[in-house]
Amino acid sequence: AQSVAQPEDQVNVAEGNPLTVKCTYSVSGNPYLFWYVQYPNRGLQFLLKYITGDNLVKGSYGFEAEFNKSQTSFHLKKPSALVSDSALYFCAVRDEMDSSYKLIFGSGTRLLVRP
Amino acid sequence: ETGVTQTPRHLVMGMTNKKSLKCEQHLGHNAMYWYKQSAKKPLELMFVYNFKEQTENNSVPSRFSPECPNSSHLFLHLHTLQPEDSALYLCASSQVGGGAPGELFFGEGSRLTVL
Repeated sequence: AQSVAQPEDQVNVAEGNPLTVKCTYSVSGNPYLFWYVQYPNRGLQFLLKYITGDNLVKGSYGFEAEFNKSQTSFHLKKPSALVSDSALYFCAVRDEMDSSYKLIFGSGTRLLVRP
Repeated sequence: ETGVTQTPRHLVMGMTNKKSLKCEQHLGHNAMYWYKQSAKKPLELMFVYNFKEQTENNSVPSRFSPECPNSSHLFLHLHTLQPEDSALYLCASSQVGGGAPGELFFGEGSRLTVL
């Protein structure tokens, strides 16, 4: 069975500091991994994805994520946080061999960047 | 034009009303989805349509009735709702098949309040 865990309900960081939002996954085959961001009363916006290739994936708004197969993790990172990065972040996974194409979402992590 | 458009953005209805949510995607995708997002709960997948055919119905009560007349349009017909149905309803689309990774693109959501 596929699953995603986001172990932190909330992450607090000061503006200008690096941020990390954690995600671990479980799939039977090879994972396709995704990060989304949601601002209040808005839909989810696609940030980045890992399909294959380089373990470090760069996405929108200066975010990047590192795929670690041995640790089954796909943590979201940004070198210098902005107050405007404060939002809800979702990790999602799909098993490459899953013909239903269903994405499994984590429960979300609220990022709060203080000035 | 944004990729996925949802109307209305806000809807207030009584328990005996009948209303519909509309979703339109301009991305040329072949799959569309309805998700429910309630406070303090994970994203809930409600319905999936691939090539206009419903492929998933996650035990959704019959007071929610989806309709997908073509691959660009998706409706959610609402009838005799309960206050606990108040939530943000998100529409999404994706490209499935042919080795596509299947990332979802979401609309801005329809905030539903049932009185």
